[in-house]
Amino acid sequence: SQQGEEDPQALSIQEGENATMNCSYKTSINNLQWYRQNSGRGLVHLILIRSNEREKHSGRLRVTLDTSKKSSSLLITASRAADTASYFCATTQGGSEKLVFGKGTKLTVNP
Amino acid sequence: GAGVSQSPSNKVTEKGKDVELRCDPISGHTALYWYRQSLGQGLEFLIYFQGNSAPDKSGLPSDRFSAERTGGSVSTLTIQRTQQEDSAVYLCASSLRLAGTHLQFFGPGTRLTVL
Repeated sequence: SQQGEEDPQALSIQEGENATMNCSYKTSINNLQWYRQNSGRGLVHLILIRSNEREKHSGRLRVTLDTSKKSSSLLITASRAADTASYFCATTQGGSEKLVFGKGTKLTVNP
Repeated sequence: GAGVSQSPSNKVTEKGKDVELRCDPISGHTALYWYRQSLGQGLEFLIYFQGNSAPDKSGLPSDRFSAERTGGSVSTLTIQRTQQEDSAVYLCASSLRLAGTHLQFFGPGTRLTVL
């Protein structure tokens, strides 16, 4: 079952602007990951943040994690048309290896 | 190849037929996962293999669904007596423990359409 909830469900911005997507979850987690999906097919891993970390950067991506609020955000700076995709957060919990996905944010970057 | 591969990429079948979906994980990855993505349910976990055994098959929606993995490599997901609600993209992922976390690498998926 889906645990995470991303918001917004859809986001449309202009090239060069920043895009912020949020994710909330319900139970304690081991780590939280963000994935990108183009055209409804394979998922590409973007970044992983562990439960004891608060912020992580990778290129134009910045992820924050607030375990007290059970939420995470993904910031994409200086967006490009190629960033157009759906973005999902996913968590692992307890001793389980499975990923529990949120419902995703569909990002459109207009040139 | 270097990534996870899945076959077929698309499968159209008639209601009531059986289908087999195949996943080739990244060489050396010991863990293999199946997920499915449908419009109504989003991305859902189905089953997970560590080697050839399946410690967690809690996501299989009914006994029409089964999966096996042989030789610690290729996995097959079988759906018997397919129903229209089985229509979805079936995604496979593999992982190798890295620094105490499991980074899952996904294949391109198989789009299953049940008519």
